[in-house]
Amino acid sequence: AQKITQTQPGMFVQEKEAVTLDCTYDTSDQSYGLFWYKQPSSGEMIFLIYQGSYDEQNATEGRYSLNFQKARKSTNLVISASQLGDSAMYFCAMREGSPRSQAGTALIFGKGTTLSVSS
Amino acid sequence: DVKVTQSSRYLVKRTGEKVFLECVQDMDHENMFWYRQDPGLGLRLIYFSYDVKMKEKGDIPEGYSVSREKKERFSLILESASTNQTSMYLCASSLSHLSGLDNEQFFGPGTRLTVL
Repeated sequence: AQKITQTQPGMFVQEKEAVTLDCTYDTSDQSYGLFWYKQPSSGEMIFLIYQGSYDEQNATEGRYSLNFQKARKSTNLVISASQLGDSAMYFCAMREGSPRSQAGTALIFGKGTTLSVSS
Repeated sequence: DVKVTQSSRYLVKRTGEKVFLECVQDMDHENMFWYRQDPGLGLRLIYFSYDVKMKEKGDIPEGYSVSREKKERFSLILESASTNQTSMYLCASSLSHLSGLDNEQFFGPGTRLTVL
């Protein structure tokens, strides 16, 4: 079973609009961390925002915020006031708190969502 | 700023060749990772190293090996390249496996490998 599910292969939005990218996760751990990364066409992965499973507040970083719903096991990324430079692939990732091996401390990634912002 | 560098951005090799992908990080990180990225599949972990000469298999280690002789350098080796290993390879590093859950992974720019 997939641990990280991103159901939107592609999303299209106009400049200055807000957009929500969906991510659901599957873990039996009570303690875990959730990450979002951006990958522009240049290929480099850029860290955007982090949410810990015990964080009571939704994480925010500038125009990025998370809609974290623990009971639903979802952590959707909200980008406010989209810009042309936001066009990229976005990955949701998780680190589980009780890995079975040290390799389990690596991030588990979803398949990504391609966001296209038009003027 | 943490910097993770990879030896090549683009690489073209022939089937059966031995291929070395090099990754260097400059922040004294203990953890280093090799991922493979394919369209529609996201990033998949090939190998992980948590210390010099220490390694663990990830989800898709078949056809690959790794070497970590120095803390800052982590090499991915394709002993006999095959066409199904054509992909984007991303190296990453992070502080330590003993760090908190918010321990961020820093990525290199990626190597796009084509095996003909």
